[in-house]
Amino acid sequence: AQSVTQLDSHVSVSEGTPVLLRCNYSSSYSPSLFWYVQHPNKGLQLLLKYTSAATLVKGINGFEAEFKKSETSFHLTKPSAHMSDAAEYFCVVSVESGGSNYKLTFGKGTLLTVNP
Amino acid sequence: DAGITQSPRYKITETGRQVTLMCHQTWSHSYMFWYRQDLGHGLRLIYYSAAADITDKGEVPDGYVVSRSKTENFPLTLESATRSQTSVYFCASRSPGGRFVYGYTFGSGTRLTVV
Repeated sequence: AQSVTQLDSHVSVSEGTPVLLRCNYSSSYSPSLFWYVQHPNKGLQLLLKYTSAATLVKGINGFEAEFKKSETSFHLTKPSAHMSDAAEYFCVVSVESGGSNYKLTFGKGTLLTVNP
Repeated sequence: DAGITQSPRYKITETGRQVTLMCHQTWSHSYMFWYRQDLGHGLRLIYYSAAADITDKGEVPDGYVVSRSKTENFPLTLESATRSQTSVYFCASRSPGGRFVYGYTFGSGTRLTVV
């Protein structure tokens, strides 16, 4: 079975300061990992995806995440927060063992607040 | 326009009524999914479908029914709505391809309130 734990339900930063959203995963197989963002009353937008091609993954809007197998982590970072980054962020794992299990398992989300 | 369309965007229904949420995709992706989003739970899988006429339960299937007679449509039916089914529902599809190619696309969601 696979699972995802987002370690903070709420993170608050000041504009221009770094962002760190933490995610740990559990998986019996080599996972694919995603970060999605959801702005208020909007749908889900893919920020970035890890599929084992490279451990440091760059996404949209200056976000990046590093896959650390030894720590089973996939933390999301951004060097400098912008007001438009305020949203809810979801860490997601997908394990496609045998080519037939395409289900996504979501973390419970981290709400990012950016203060002026 | 290409993509996933969910309808309606908002729905209010009464307890005990049957309601169907629609999901339509324009790509003919094989895999489609239904998730519900609740505060403190993230998104949880209700049902998914690997192809037309092939469906399977997810994490929280009780009280829901799905069908998939055509590849492009994947409706979700609440047979007798309960207040606990008040939620935001998202439909998604998975593009084909191997590990480095595939991706998931989500619809804009349906906000359902059961009173």
